Amino acid sequence: DTEVTQTPKHLVMGMTNKKSLKCEQHMGHRAMYWYKQKAKKPPELMFVYSYEKLSINESVPSRFSPECPNSSLLNLHLHALQPEDSALYLCASSQEYRASGELFFGEGSRLTVL
Amino acid sequence: GENVEQHPSTLSVQEGDSAVIKCTYSDSASNYFPWYKQELGKRPQLIIDIRSNVGEKKDQRIAVTLNKTAKHFSLHITETQPEDSAVYFCAASTGNQFYFGTGTSLTVIP
Repeated sequence: DTEVTQTPKHLVMGMTNKKSLKCEQHMGHRAMYWYKQKAKKPPELMFVYSYEKLSINESVPSRFSPECPNSSLLNLHLHALQPEDSALYLCASSQEYRASGELFFGEGSRLTVL
Repeated sequence: GENVEQHPSTLSVQEGDSAVIKCTYSDSASNYFPWYKQELGKRPQLIIDIRSNVGEKKDQRIAVTLNKTAKHFSLHITETQPEDSAVYFCAASTGNQFYFGTGTSLTVIP
C-alpha cells in the first residue's frame, strides 16, 4: 500500500462550524505533513509531525489544530475559519523527517468556507 | 531561509518537442532537489529528484541537471506527449524543509 488517504474529499463549512480533516497512511512512514494549496500555487507547509510529535508549526493560526493520534493517522481540526481559508488541504508522508526523500501526497481535501 | 525561483510560469509546446523548466535557489546548503508533477485535480507526484553530489540524472524521457556553482537546476522533458500536460513544481531542501518553486503550467499541444 503506497497511498495516503484523505477524507473527506470535499467539505463546505460555515465560519462558525467545527470540522475535521483526516489522513491515513500504512507505509510505516514516521513523518506526516499538512500543506495548504491555493489554485495554481505551490503547496505551503503548515505542520510537520515526526514520530508523532509536532516538529514544525509554520505560524499557522490557532483556528487550525493538528493532531497525530498514532503513527498512521493525522487529523486537522478546523474551527471558526475564514473564507480566505478555502483551499485544497494536502496531507503527505515521508519515511523519515529529513526533507531529503520522497513526499507521498494524498489527493487532498477541498475546503470551501462560506 | 531558502528562496526558490521557477521559470517560466507557463509553457506551451507542440507534441514531440522538448520542454525545459528552470529553477534557481539561494541557499548553498540545499542538497536535495525533487520535481513534482500535479495534473489537474490530482495530487503532486514525484517524477525525478537529484542530490547535490550528482550533476545529472535521467529517467526515460525526463532528465534533471544541477549546477551547484550557479545554484540552478533544470527539468528536461523530451518527446513531449499530451499526458505530460500538468503543473510542475521544483523544490529545494537543506534537510529541514522543502521549499517549492512557484510552478510551471505545461501544455502539450497535440
